[in-house]
Amino acid sequence: EAQVTQNPRYLITVTGKKLTVTCSQNMNHEYMSWYRQDPGLGLRQIYYSMNVEVTDKGDVPEGYKVSRKEKRNFPLILESPSPNQTSLYFCASSRPGGNEQYFGPGTRLTVT
Amino acid sequence: AQSVTQLGSHVSVSEGALVLLRCNYSSSVPPYLFWYVQYPNQGLQLLLKYTTGATLVKGINGFEAEFKKSETSFHLTKPSAHMSDAAEYFCAVRSTTDSWGKLQFGAGTQVVVTP
Repeated sequence: EAQVTQNPRYLITVTGKKLTVTCSQNMNHEYMSWYRQDPGLGLRQIYYSMNVEVTDKGDVPEGYKVSRKEKRNFPLILESPSPNQTSLYFCASSRPGGNEQYFGPGTRLTVT
Repeated sequence: AQSVTQLGSHVSVSEGALVLLRCNYSSSVPPYLFWYVQYPNQGLQLLLKYTTGATLVKGINGFEAEFKKSETSFHLTKPSAHMSDAAEYFCAVRSTTDSWGKLQFGAGTQVVVTP
């Protein structure tokens, strides 16, 4: 089954404790992206990757890092999480120029 | 720069009534247009899209949307609401010159369906 998986689905952590949210896709897509969803703001892009070792900032990259060492994986790293990063995070993938992005189930992060 | 405006953050409809969700975009060149649906505790799922061709686009679950260039709109409709349509709906745009598929989302509209 074609899918995007994220882990963990739920995470509660404390300020400053480094964490990683994993994202993996099995569709051999070149393009992957991370979004955060906040009430009243919709989804905003954090980072995206056009292929292995090629990443770039989206609209809200501050406080986040990403890496793309393998085509299927695109982890999101929070080196020092803060409460304003409490949000619902989605990973998505697509082909270059593809008209459909496939979304993972989301990771709900709470930073206290 | 592109932007997307969804009118109404919450919409309540009766079962069997028309569902109408409004989306307007701002772009110097008409973009590609999308509607996504998010059911509770799930990721986003593509409902329908407009890229080229016929301006009335049919999607899954009985939804359709019409691209109106003169009004810069892409409103989503369904003739008869079902309880299973309760979800959050997002309008999104993508530049036709962006080969890497970056989506710009609206703020979302939460749909509640009442019996």
